Formats: sequence, C-alpha cells, structure tokens
Amino acid sequence: NAGVMQNPRHLVRRRGQEARLRCSPMKGHSHVYWYRQLPEEGLKFMVYLQKENIIDESGMPKERFSAEFPKEGPSILRIQQVVRGDSAAYFCASSLPVGGTDTQYFGPGTRLTVL
Amino acid sequence: DAKTTQPTSMDCAEGRAANLPCNHSTISGNEYVYWYRQIHSQGPQYIIHGLKNNETNEMASLIITEDRKSSTLILPHATLRDTAVYYCIVRVANNAGNMLTFGGGTRLMVKP
Repeated sequence: NAGVMQNPRHLVRRRGQEARLRCSPMKGHSHVYWYRQLPEEGLKFMVYLQKENIIDESGMPKERFSAEFPKEGPSILRIQQVVRGDSAAYFCASSLPVGGTDTQYFGPGTRLTVL
Repeated sequence: DAKTTQPTSMDCAEGRAANLPCNHSTISGNEYVYWYRQIHSQGPQYIIHGLKNNETNEMASLIITEDRKSSTLILPHATLRDTAVYYCIVRVANNAGNMLTFGGGTRLMVKP
C-alpha cells in the first residue's frame, strides 16, 4: 500500500522560471494538503484541496502560487516566476474523505532550490 | 486550535524510554492530541493521537491527564533512529480540512 508520493524530490530553478510540484495521495484519499517548510523553520499550511475544488487557501501567498487537484491525476502546486525566497521544502499530505479518520499522512517532500 | 507548549530539546539514552511532555491547557472538549515526528529532511510521520483515553500502538504510547491539559508521548525503547523533532498538535478530528498547526516541537536526541 503505497504512501503519499511526491515528485520531483529535488527541483532546481533559476529566478523567473516556473516550478511544478506533484503529489499523488494515498489510495482512497481524496483530500490533499500542501505545507511549506522554509530553511530552519517549522511547517506552515498553504492550501487544502478536494477533487476539483480548493477548500481552504488561507496559507497561500497571494501572488505567483496556485494549486489544483484535478479529477484525474496528481495534485499540482505551481509557483510562477520563482524567487530565491521560494527555496524551501514543500510537503504534501493526504487524508480520507469526511466520515473516515482524517489523520493526515505526509509525503517525502520536494526540495526546491532557486538559483 | 489550542496552543501547545513543548520543551525545545531533550536527550535520551539508547534503549531507555523517552518521555516527551506537552502542555495544552486551553484544549477544548472536541480537540484531539496528535503527535507527529520529523526525522531530518524527511516528511512528518504520524505517530499517534487520542482524545482522553490513553492510547498505544506499535510506535508509542500516549498518556493524557484526566483534565486533558497535558499529555506525554512515550517511546518505550528509544533507538538512534528515533532522533527527530517531535510535534504535539491539538486539533478537532473528523473534520476534514482542519489544518495541522506545527509549533517548534521537541528535538529529541537519542544517544548511544
């Protein structure tokens, strides 16, 4: 039973480029969460999605960041025109639908480095 | 969600029990206590959670005081691989979409 999968594990981008981070939830999980961990800091919530819907994006920066979770395929966190301050570890978590236990299980993360 | 207070760091000898405390004096009746850990550079790992009864699984035991204002995570026989940052989080469960709010956690160092 595969856990949460994220790819790529490491991503290097130059300033101004776009970064796309992918997250495949655990089997049967339809809720996805993205968190960011800046160097030497704690994890901070960014966005919560269900299939085809953004439910809570209160932690997302107002510009350049977007997220989606299409009906088919992985959830995508997209960062446009990256800047050095976007360098961080981005973690995805997933949980079961409402009615089941909503314990969040995390993936291994994508480490983004902006040159 | 209620705030939690944890010691910044702790040491434990390999093979001994590690007891990690957490204070959550403002916890509400419908809030659970969750524990996660993050081993260096890895994603957070779920350990255990509970409401008011003590809980045990293959990883750890969770002891919650009767007034629910504090709890202790117990790793019965710590190994070097248990060296990690341990996070105590209080949140409403079975309410999908309720984000996890991570504090500073306790940095546990297991020493040979």
